[in-house]
Amino acid sequence: NAGVTQTPKFRILKIGQSMTLQCTQDMNHNYMYWYRQDPGMGLKLIYYSVGAGITDKGEVPNGYNVSRSTTEDFPLRLELAAPSQTSVYFCASSYDLNLYTGGDADTQYFGPGTRLTVL
Amino acid sequence: GDSVTQMEGPVTLSEEAFLTINCTYTATGYPSLFWYVQYPGEGLQLLLKATKADDKGSNKGFEATYRKETTSFHLEKGSVQVSDSAVYFCALSDPHGYSTLTFGKGTMLLVSP
Repeated sequence: NAGVTQTPKFRILKIGQSMTLQCTQDMNHNYMYWYRQDPGMGLKLIYYSVGAGITDKGEVPNGYNVSRSTTEDFPLRLELAAPSQTSVYFCASSYDLNLYTGGDADTQYFGPGTRLTVL
Repeated sequence: GDSVTQMEGPVTLSEEAFLTINCTYTATGYPSLFWYVQYPGEGLQLLLKATKADDKGSNKGFEATYRKETTSFHLEKGSVQVSDSAVYFCALSDPHGYSTLTFGKGTMLLVSP
């Protein structure tokens, strides 16, 4: 299993440009999440999804959009990039607690991250 | 809302020293508690967790006990190694919130030989 993969690893955007951060997991997890990590600030939840076609906002959703057309993929879209979106972005996934009761049922598995700079 | 507070870093120790990183939380209900570790340039990995009061999570020599009375989940290790140098995040998971995590700000640990 590759686990959670993210592309690209690094990206520099100009103000006003758009891009999509890709996230794929091969663990058949229903739950997927996007976080951003700012220096000294921990991780903040941007959006999450509990299954294909179902998404919801987290703590800091402004300026981002998501979609979930398959169980495996959960792309994050940045429209009109701003310097405030300079951050490291992490995708994560976990099991559906209603369907799985194993010891790691509530454990999130993280991708390696995408470092985004907006200039 | 839920929140997690952990001690500021960096924490600088010599090899074989005792480690404590404090973590306290505020939450409604009975969350699960986690410690995640982030090595330089990598994503987060689960280090240990506890799902109910008085549970002790342990892994790789690290331990933390879920203390409901003090709303704490302090991370300890008896003898740190250089390879333990990383950023450690305390987090809680709302059992009714699709396992979404609320993180502390992270504590950097630097261990010197």
